[in-house]
Amino acid sequence: KQEVTQIPAALSVPEGENLVLNCSFTDSAIYNLQWFRQDPGKGLTSLLLIQSSQREQTSGRLNASLDKSSGRSTLYIAASQPGDSATYLCAVRPGSARQLTFGSGTQLTVLP
Amino acid sequence: ETGVTQTPRHLVMGMTNKKSLKCEQHLGHNAMYWYKQSAKKPLELMFVYSLEERVENNSVPSRFSPECPNSSHLFLHLHTLQPEDSALYLCASSQDGTGMSSYNEQFFGPGTRLTVL
Repeated sequence: KQEVTQIPAALSVPEGENLVLNCSFTDSAIYNLQWFRQDPGKGLTSLLLIQSSQREQTSGRLNASLDKSSGRSTLYIAASQPGDSATYLCAVRPGSARQLTFGSGTQLTVLP
Repeated sequence: ETGVTQTPRHLVMGMTNKKSLKCEQHLGHNAMYWYKQSAKKPLELMFVYSLEERVENNSVPSRFSPECPNSSHLFLHLHTLQPEDSALYLCASSQDGTGMSSYNEQFFGPGTRLTVL
């Protein structure tokens, strides 16, 4: 059974810092990995999707990497801003199913 | 309306009530999903509909009943719920091909916050 772990569970940084969020998964047989952002009480906003054949994806200040063989992904946020404060979720699509398996998320607070 | 919309945004119901959650996607996708997000637990998939046919059901209790009348609309019918069913219910959609390798990005709605008294 696929399990997804996100470390740390919570992170607080001053504005302007570069930071890395980590995601690990137990079964490397995945088709893709998706990073989401969730604001309190709200739905999920898709940030980046990495197909299993890709190593990284970039969107603005965000860069996500994927190392399928070691079961790891990182989300790099450059020059963090208070508006980046949210919970960041990592989800993988297992090789044999349609559904996403989610981690518990990292709650990020960027202090002004 | 754009993206994925859900109504109502908030719902409070008693254990004997019957209610329905509605989801609509305006993205032209062919697959829709219901997820449940409970406090301090990862999101859990409840149902998947692809091309209007239910293709997976992860042992969800029968008090939750999905309906997908067409590729743009998805409902979750609720009856005789329990307090532990209180959660954020999220709908999502994606454009899937015919093979597993073509599963694509999922887009989520804002969710319905359900409280069962």
